[in-house]
Amino acid sequence: GAGVSQSPSNKVTEKGKDVELRCDPISGHTALYWYRQRLGQGLEFLIYFQGNSAPDKSGLPSDRFSAERTGESVSTLTIQRTQQEDSAVYLCASSLQAAMNTEAFFGQGTRLTVV
Amino acid sequence: ELKVEQNPLFLSMQEGKNYTIYCNYSTTSDRLYWYRQDPGKSLESLFVLLSNGAVKQEGRLMASLDTKARLSTLHITAAVHDLSATYFCAVVINSNYQLIWGAGTKLIIKP
Repeated sequence: GAGVSQSPSNKVTEKGKDVELRCDPISGHTALYWYRQRLGQGLEFLIYFQGNSAPDKSGLPSDRFSAERTGESVSTLTIQRTQQEDSAVYLCASSLQAAMNTEAFFGQGTRLTVV
Repeated sequence: ELKVEQNPLFLSMQEGKNYTIYCNYSTTSDRLYWYRQDPGKSLESLFVLLSNGAVKQEGRLMASLDTKARLSTLHITAAVHDLSATYFCAVVINSNYQLIWGAGTKLIIKP
């Protein structure tokens, strides 16, 4: 498709289980972001991938969170041993990251509920 | 510390009124974005401001950028209910083109 695609759109999991969230960026976009957004809150930066550079992981809240990206394609965000406070919408965005164009395009998000 | 601060964080206003949302940032940047988020939806790009003095307008919304003051404004003219949403600004860090986001301004426009 033409836009950023995230899957699943909704995920309900039991506390303590691992979950994997997927993001398909726009083709050709070298930069990819993951954000967390709790209900009624702003965007919380998690991780940033830019081409083949080392990712900026400074936003990951704990070592239970990890993310990977293969080249300039799909990214997965993994949350191990989920906790109730992990419940949120997880948004992925991609951008071209050329010198003159860094506008980010967002996916629809994955709504994670930990019960 | 890199900061992007929006104010107000919450705004309730009547239809027909004018108001301005402010976005201050703490680092050098000459590129700023405004996004809109409707409840339960993802973020939609509104404006891209690429240089000092840039002004963009779309309908009742007008955005401007002053890179010397490190300030952007989003002005709403004669507000209508359909503009109710949360508005985010984001600034590019020039060194690696990373976006840094404000906390968002939740705007409620009462009919």
